[in-house]
Amino acid sequence: SQQGEEDPQALSIQEGENATMNCSYKTSINNLQWYRQNSGRGLVHLILIRSNEREKHSGRLRVTLDTSKKSSSLLITASRAADTASYFCATDPNDYKLSFGAGTTVTVRA
Amino acid sequence: NAGVTQTPKFQVLKTGQSMTLQCAQDMNHNSMYWYRQDPGMGLRLIYYSASEGTTDKGEVPNGYNVSRLNKREFSLRLESAAPSQTSVYFCASSEALGTGYTFGSGTRLTVV
Repeated sequence: SQQGEEDPQALSIQEGENATMNCSYKTSINNLQWYRQNSGRGLVHLILIRSNEREKHSGRLRVTLDTSKKSSSLLITASRAADTASYFCATDPNDYKLSFGAGTTVTVRA
Repeated sequence: NAGVTQTPKFQVLKTGQSMTLQCAQDMNHNSMYWYRQDPGMGLRLIYYSASEGTTDKGEVPNGYNVSRLNKREFSLRLESAAPSQTSVYFCASSEALGTGYTFGSGTRLTVV
């Protein structure tokens, strides 16, 4: 069963705008990871945030983690056409069973 | 380029046929994984290998077998393919527990 659930399922924004997507999960985790998947391709690891961290940045990406609410958010700032992809959160309970949500499909309009 | 290589990229099987999906990584990662991706369901773990010489079941292992041939290679076998196994299969590897995964580009399998 899926541990994480992303919200919204789909998001359409104008180039230059920010995109925010959320992930909720059910059980305790060691870390939470975000991945990007371009159409027809494999997943690419974007960022990992550990359970004792609250916020992490990587380039135009900002991830937050609230373990008390069992939720995370991924913010992409100043979006570009190349950011058009599906984004997945994955929860790591520290047992080799990384569990993925169904993903958020982001479309960036020129 | 370093990474995870999967073969084949596409395959069509008839119900009841068998096949093996191959996966190799050249990053000296200890752990390897097989996932399947179906529309609207995200990725589901089929089998994983925490280290060379070990394999364990994931969420959806029925109908599959795996072999961790050596540290580099982890294969997935369908002994008697069924239409329900139509999916995109991804192999991944990670350096250690609690680290990010590197994924292959996938195998699109259709069982008719």
